[in-house]
Amino acid sequence: RKEVEQDPGPFNVPEGATVAFNCTYSNSASQSFFWYRQDCRKEPKLLMSVYSSGNEDGRFTAQLNRASQYISLLIRDSKLSDSATYLCSGSARQLTFGSGTQLTVLP
Amino acid sequence: NAGVTQTPKFQVLKTGQSMTLQCAQDMNHNSMYWYRQDPGMGLRLIYYSASEGTTDKGEVPNGYNVSRLNKREFSLRLESAAPSQTSVYFCASSENGHQPQHFGDGTRLSIL
Repeated sequence: RKEVEQDPGPFNVPEGATVAFNCTYSNSASQSFFWYRQDCRKEPKLLMSVYSSGNEDGRFTAQLNRASQYISLLIRDSKLSDSATYLCSGSARQLTFGSGTQLTVLP
Repeated sequence: NAGVTQTPKFQVLKTGQSMTLQCAQDMNHNSMYWYRQDPGMGLRLIYYSASEGTTDKGEVPNGYNVSRLNKREFSLRLESAAPSQTSVYFCASSENGHQPQHFGDGTRLSIL
């Protein structure tokens, strides 16, 4: 079993919708978690860090549930420009990445 | 402020050829990483270097070697390239293993 698992999607949502992704992790020793955004044929870029219960940045909210061992990313009022692949990662000994969730926001 | 710089950006090799992918970071980070990314597979860790002078195998190390030349530079070598190594390779760095990673813009490698 992979240390970090994500639903690959694709998620196709209309502009303005709220969408949420979950990411589960298997190593309870994981200390820090991150969400990255990756555009097609580009490198991943850090979107948000999640060190405790959660973090909010504008339209984006990341939550950590240690009891159930998952992190989530909520995108409100989605924009066309939010279309990308979203990768979650968690750190035990080293950061491990999920396979990514593909989001397409439709006009 | 370059961040993480990878060279080359594109390369085509024939089966059996060797080559070295170069990576350098200017953020004074301790940890550096090499990943490969294939369609539908996400990022798979090949090797990492937690600090200068150390290297460790990741999830898919077979067919690769690495060198942490100094704190800034971490190279990945393919000794005898195989078509299965066709992929996009990303180098990344972080302050340590629990901090977010900063990625280079990738090397697209095709092996014929």
